[in-house]
Amino acid sequence: DAGVIQSPRHEVTEMGQEVTLRCKPISGHDYLFWYRQTMMRGLELLIYFNNNVPIDDSGMPEDRFSAKMPNASFSTLKIQPSEPRDSAVYFCASSLTGRSDPLHFGNGTRLTVT
Amino acid sequence: GDSVTQMEGPVTLSEEAFLTINCTYTATGYPSLFWYVQYPGEGLQLLLKATKADDKGSNKGFEATYRKETTSFHLEKGSVQVSDSAVYFCAPKGGGSNYKLTFGKGTLLTVNP
Repeated sequence: DAGVIQSPRHEVTEMGQEVTLRCKPISGHDYLFWYRQTMMRGLELLIYFNNNVPIDDSGMPEDRFSAKMPNASFSTLKIQPSEPRDSAVYFCASSLTGRSDPLHFGNGTRLTVT
Repeated sequence: GDSVTQMEGPVTLSEEAFLTINCTYTATGYPSLFWYVQYPGEGLQLLLKATKADDKGSNKGFEATYRKETTSFHLEKGSVQVSDSAVYFCAPKGGGSNYKLTFGKGTLLTVNP
């Protein structure tokens, strides 16, 4: 199993530009999560999907952020327009249903907005 | 909602020292409990888990016991190695329809030779 695959690994962009982060979950997993990690706030859950449907987006910081999951094997997190305070590492994770099933994380995308 | 309290880091130990990282939690329902480890520049990896009271999760010499009465899940290792240097996260996963993990702030462990 290839695990959760995220792209790109690093993204450097200028303030005001659109940024799209991509994630391919583990095949067969029906939950997908987007987290953001910063030194100040630690790991924050932004949004999660079940069977491609967004369940809870209460962690999305503002309207500049949007996430989609058009099919079971692909999800995107978009920031438009980007701001320097969006600089962070963004992680995607997937899991099976069930309280005992762990989340499997990708290696993250390090976003730097200048 | 769910919450986690981990001991403040950073923790600095010498090789072969005993490690304890404390974790207490609040969660709805009857959660499963997880420890994750994050090495520099990488994503989080599952270290161990326990799914019911008094269960002991173990992996790579690390252990943690699910203590329902004290709502705790402390991580221990008898003899740490330099390669154990990483950030450690405790996380409950709630019961019912709550399938998300709630992470603590993480504890940075540095092991010196």
